[in-house]
Amino acid sequence: GENVEQHPSTLSVQEGDSAVIKCTYSDSASNYFPWYKQELGKGPQLIIDIRSNVGEKKDQRIAVTLNKTAKHFSLHITETQPEDSAVYFCAAQYSSASKIIFGSGTRLSIRP
Amino acid sequence: DTAVSQTPKYLVTQMGNDKSIKCEQNLGHDTMYWYKQDSKKFLKIMFSYNNKELIINETVPNRFSPKSPDKAHLNLHINSLELGDSAVYFCASSPGPGIGSPLHFGNGTRLTVT
Repeated sequence: GENVEQHPSTLSVQEGDSAVIKCTYSDSASNYFPWYKQELGKGPQLIIDIRSNVGEKKDQRIAVTLNKTAKHFSLHITETQPEDSAVYFCAAQYSSASKIIFGSGTRLSIRP
Repeated sequence: DTAVSQTPKYLVTQMGNDKSIKCEQNLGHDTMYWYKQDSKKFLKIMFSYNNKELIINETVPNRFSPKSPDKAHLNLHINSLELGDSAVYFCASSPGPGIGSPLHFGNGTRLTVT
């Protein structure tokens, strides 16, 4: 069935260090993988996305990698800052149904 | 201007009551959604409409009834509210229903059923 697993559920890193969040998906037909950031009291906001014909995408301090063979994709945040503290969600869009399925979220805390 | 706006932001009500949540988007998108976020932050799709037509209907109790009067509005009506309905409900929109169409979320409606 449609499933996206996300790890870790919580992550605490020192300011300036890197953070990595990993996800796996179950449907090999998935071909769109967005990442969302949710701050307290707000809705999730798209921060970066990647399509299945690309292995890596970078936007300033944020990068996403995709391994279609292993059905893994990861979010990398470098030089973390206090404002990076939030809950991050990976997601996958299943072409059979066009719906976006979310992972269970990672609460990222940046220690000063 | 808020792109996706939902009202009310907070909703506290008793079991058995009927309530509605309204959503409007000014992005000119064709597709709108309702997602439910439980206390563990898990986001689950409930419904999706494309140009006022229902295209996704997940396994949701039929006490939940979405209505889309036009493509800029998607409301959610809930009958006979239960304790388990307590959650944050998010409205979202996207340019279309196809692959690679990113979601734009509202700021949520926190529903508390007592």
